[in-house]
Amino acid sequence: ETGVTQSPTHLIKTRGQQVTLRCSSQSGHNTVSWYQQALGQGPQFIFQYYREEENGRGNFPPRFSGLQFPNYSSELNVNALELDDSALYLCASSRFSQGSRETQYFGPGTRLLVL
Amino acid sequence: LAKTTQPISMDSYEGQEVNITCSHNNIATNDYITWYQQFPSQGPRFIIQGYKTKVTNEVASLFIPADRKSSTLSLPRVSLSDTAVYYCLVGTGNTNAGKSTFGDGTTLTVKP
Repeated sequence: ETGVTQSPTHLIKTRGQQVTLRCSSQSGHNTVSWYQQALGQGPQFIFQYYREEENGRGNFPPRFSGLQFPNYSSELNVNALELDDSALYLCASSRFSQGSRETQYFGPGTRLLVL
Repeated sequence: LAKTTQPISMDSYEGQEVNITCSHNNIATNDYITWYQQFPSQGPRFIIQGYKTKVTNEVASLFIPADRKSSTLSLPRVSLSDTAVYYCLVGTGNTNAGKSTFGDGTTLTVKP
């Protein structure tokens, strides 16, 4: 519906492994944010990318890293997975322009289970 | 970032109007108020956004008093499919759009 897509939809990993999640922004959007949502909680902001650079970060350790590509798609990488990393990972895109307000549009999320 | 407070849960019946209030006492001058709806295992879906007074679209209305320290999402004539978690989000526009803080939301249960 929103035009934001994420892959894969589900993923199972074991502790210590690394994972890469992908997000394609809605057409015309140049900013991507990633969120982690644990069961029963609201989404927690991980970081945001604008013009291929990190533009703000939440309270997440450095093993959470990301990339934004020239076509504004994005990746979230998590190294040394821990059991507590099990969550729904959400990508949201928006369009930044000076003097305007933006609305974030979310993708369907990737459900990550760490065993 | 402005902290928001919402009721944890609300119950309603089909056809009723539902009002969900959010408190955001430390809202900043440049902050907008945005409401999202989320179904289980799906991403949040944008409902409505406003800065002051009243905003209305095809699915909801948003009422914001003059001091902007709270806001009320109004859903007219709810149906069973409106059962979901509703989040109030306060943040600035521009590149801070992604840095807004979600609370734990309000779980709305619509009964037949």
